Amino acid sequence: NAGVMQNPRHLVRRRGQEARLRCSPMKGHSHVYWYRQLPEEGLKFMVYLQKENIIDESGMPKERFSAEFPKEGPSILRIQQVVRGDSAAYFCASSPNRETDTQYFGPGTRLTVL
Amino acid sequence: AQSVTQPDIHITVSEGASLELRCNYSYGATPYLFWYVQSPGQGLQLLLKYFSGDTLVQGIKGFEAEFKRSQSSFNLRKPSVHWSDAAEYFCAVGSSNTGKLIFGQGTTLQVKP
Repeated sequence: NAGVMQNPRHLVRRRGQEARLRCSPMKGHSHVYWYRQLPEEGLKFMVYLQKENIIDESGMPKERFSAEFPKEGPSILRIQQVVRGDSAAYFCASSPNRETDTQYFGPGTRLTVL
Repeated sequence: AQSVTQPDIHITVSEGASLELRCNYSYGATPYLFWYVQSPGQGLQLLLKYFSGDTLVQGIKGFEAEFKRSQSSFNLRKPSVHWSDAAEYFCAVGSSNTGKLIFGQGTTLQVKP
């Protein structure tokens, strides 16, 4: 059973460009979570999705950030018009059916904004 | 508000010595508690978790943690540290309402030969 997959592993963007981060959950997992880890900090929750639904986006910045988890395909975290402060590691986690199940993390995407 | 505090930012121990990493949480209901380990440039690996039942939890790689409700703590322990344990360790509390995890700041463990 493959683990959580994220791509790309490293992404470099110039200020003003768009960044798209993809996450494929573990097989059989229908819950996806996105977290951001800024340098020298712990992980901060961003958004929680189930298939075709956003359940909790309380950690998402109000502008430029969006997330989706379509019926088919990976979950996408999209950052429009990136700024230097968006440079961070973005981790995706997935879990089986219940909210309180263990979350399994992917290797992360390290975004660098020049 | 829910929060997790890891008081020690950085800990150095000698190989073979015992280890205890501290974690305190603030949560209104019965918490779901986790310890994760992160090696440099890698994702997070689950070491152990507490949902209910026995307050002493065994995990992978010889780690254990004890849930103490009276102290709002969930400290991680290992009797004998190996050089490969050098990494960053995160304590987290889970929300029973939304499932999101709230992480502590992390503790970086350095192991001296």
